[in-house]
Amino acid sequence: GAGVSQTPSNKVTEKGKYVELRCDPISGHTALYWYRQSLGQGPEFLIYFQGTGAADDSGLPNDRFFAVRPEGSVSTLKIQRTERGDSAVYLCASSAGTEDTQYFGPGTRLTVL
Amino acid sequence: GQQLNQSPQSMFIQEGEDVSMNCTSSSIFNTWLWYKQDPGEGPVLLIALYKAGELTSNGRLTAQFGITRKDSFLNISASIPSDVGIYFCAGQGQSGGSNYKLTFGKGTLLTVNP
Repeated sequence: GAGVSQTPSNKVTEKGKYVELRCDPISGHTALYWYRQSLGQGPEFLIYFQGTGAADDSGLPNDRFFAVRPEGSVSTLKIQRTERGDSAVYLCASSAGTEDTQYFGPGTRLTVL
Repeated sequence: GQQLNQSPQSMFIQEGEDVSMNCTSSSIFNTWLWYKQDPGEGPVLLIALYKAGELTSNGRLTAQFGITRKDSFLNISASIPSDVGIYFCAGQGQSGGSNYKLTFGKGTLLTVNP
């Protein structure tokens, strides 16, 4: 497809479970970003990849959160031992280069019961 | 985390009216952006501003980058029902910080009554 895609669109899980959220960036985009959007708030930065490496993971809230991008394209955000406070929309964005326009995917709505 | 100060929080207007929203920050940004988000979708870029004092238009939308680089406003003229949504300002390239991280406001929810 032409845009950023994210799967699943919705994920409901129980407290303590492990979840993986997937992002397919726009083809050829080297930069990839994860943001988290809580209800009634704007998106907040989590992590930035340039190619395969996480260049900035300063926004990850704690060590239960981890993200990978092994081949420099698809990225997976992994959350261990989920907590109710992790419930939010997780947005992925990609850009051609670091300072270029960021294009967002539709997000994954995560609900932790 | 830090978020920009965006106002108003919500607006309810009649079709055809003009609307204005603004955003302020305690930090200087090199770029200001305005996004629109529809339900179940990610934010979509409307206007990007790169120079202090810059005034940019995109159809019925006009935005300005404040001289101090700490504020911006967005105007929508002659509103139509499809303008409904949440509008976010975002700063990029914070002075002394990264040149890629977007810092968002909390959004302005716009409702247009036909």
